[in-house]
Amino acid sequence: DAKTTQPNSMESNEEEPVHLPCNHSTISGTDYIHWYRQLPSQGPEYVIHGLTSNVNNRMASLAIAEDRKSSTLILHRATLRDAAVYYCILRDGTGGTSYGKLTFGQGTILTVHP
Amino acid sequence: NAGVTQTPKFQVLKTGQSMTLQCAQDMNHNSMYWYRQDPGMGLRLIYYSASEGTTDKGEVPNGYNVSRLNKREFSLRLESAAPSQTSVYFCASSVRGVNTEAFFGQGTRLTVV
Repeated sequence: DAKTTQPNSMESNEEEPVHLPCNHSTISGTDYIHWYRQLPSQGPEYVIHGLTSNVNNRMASLAIAEDRKSSTLILHRATLRDAAVYYCILRDGTGGTSYGKLTFGQGTILTVHP
Repeated sequence: NAGVTQTPKFQVLKTGQSMTLQCAQDMNHNSMYWYRQDPGMGLRLIYYSASEGTTDKGEVPNGYNVSRLNKREFSLRLESAAPSQTSVYFCASSVRGVNTEAFFGQGTRLTVV
């Protein structure tokens, strides 16, 4: 399975933008880049995903490097509720029984200061 | 909307006991997953079922068995529980594919003493 590398932790102030980086140098051409977050004492929740082009939704933006070896999750205005562990995941695009497998890494702990 | 439902929410087992963690989804999803999360760690995939009738081992399958009973239900069985299996267990489901989002249950907190 292709691996991702994220910083262990990051800090931000409320209402400021946050850029969460992720390296995935071994990504294959069929892997999608997914981001999930996990609030304290909850199950993970989906944030955003993409393949090659930058993506926007109501929660965040995803910027994908041209060579796809890295990506950045952008929270435009952090709130206290955004304090969570953020996971960057490559969703297995190869065929067979592994197709679609979702394998988590260690994630980035985001702390948001008032 | 129920989404992904896990039962039980909490469980205490004695070493050597067996139990089955239940997971059901009502979103007509093909793929289902079982993860465990130890304190301060990320989620580790135990087993994965891409579609009804198929299962695939994840990163940490030893000590566990799974059954994809039907499209809705995916159970995880511990035949002989060990203290090392103390963890929070999460079930998830998604439409099969790489361009879809997964939905997670609220977790089962299991303690083996």
